[in-house]
Amino acid sequence: DSGVTQTPKHLITATGQRVTLRCSPRSGDLSVYWYQQSLDQGLQFLIQYYNGEERAKGNILERFSAQQFPDLHSELNLSSLELGDSALYFCASSVRPSLGADTQYFGPGTRLTVL
Amino acid sequence: ELKVEQNPLFLSMQEGKNYTIYCNYSTTSDRLYWYRQDPGKSLESLFVLLSNGAVKQEGRLMASLDTKARLSTLHITAAVHDLSATYFCAPRRGSEKLVFGKGTKLTVNP
Repeated sequence: DSGVTQTPKHLITATGQRVTLRCSPRSGDLSVYWYQQSLDQGLQFLIQYYNGEERAKGNILERFSAQQFPDLHSELNLSSLELGDSALYFCASSVRPSLGADTQYFGPGTRLTVL
Repeated sequence: ELKVEQNPLFLSMQEGKNYTIYCNYSTTSDRLYWYRQDPGKSLESLFVLLSNGAVKQEGRLMASLDTKARLSTLHITAAVHDLSATYFCAPRRGSEKLVFGKGTKLTVNP
């Protein structure tokens, strides 16, 4: 158990819908990262937050957005869902991006299925 | 843009044998991470390599880093079935994002 929690574990929804994925980082970690894992694209970095502020953006679609709240939990919002958005979405957390080893610890993931 | 290549992508080996997984990356990085993922599960951190020549060992796994050659290796000694998983390397430069390789799916057969 990494200490990172994600809810829900599974999500099944229809095309065109909107969903919210939630992540709570490890105690003491200020940075949160979101990743998408699919068979064809592999593990793709989406976005990073540090202490409530957006720090870096990766291959995140405009239909997707995220935020980190004052209590440091984060939410990833996916809207106008398409079949191709079906994937495993991971949240990871670390203490601080440039501090030493700064290992990212991954949560259990949310498996999203869009029908 | 940083590109990462892992070789091989699929590896089937017998218990008791040794093998090495290679991770090549395209631009200078100051840290490299190895993760393990079991099917349908999350990623588990194995090693963080922080400098040129760094070597870390845990059980039957040993990772090394050559920053000049932009190469990291993950060596498996006397493989056992429990090591069957997908292994990812991910170099990182400063506070930039992790860039993951495609992963090496290891199957250890009895």
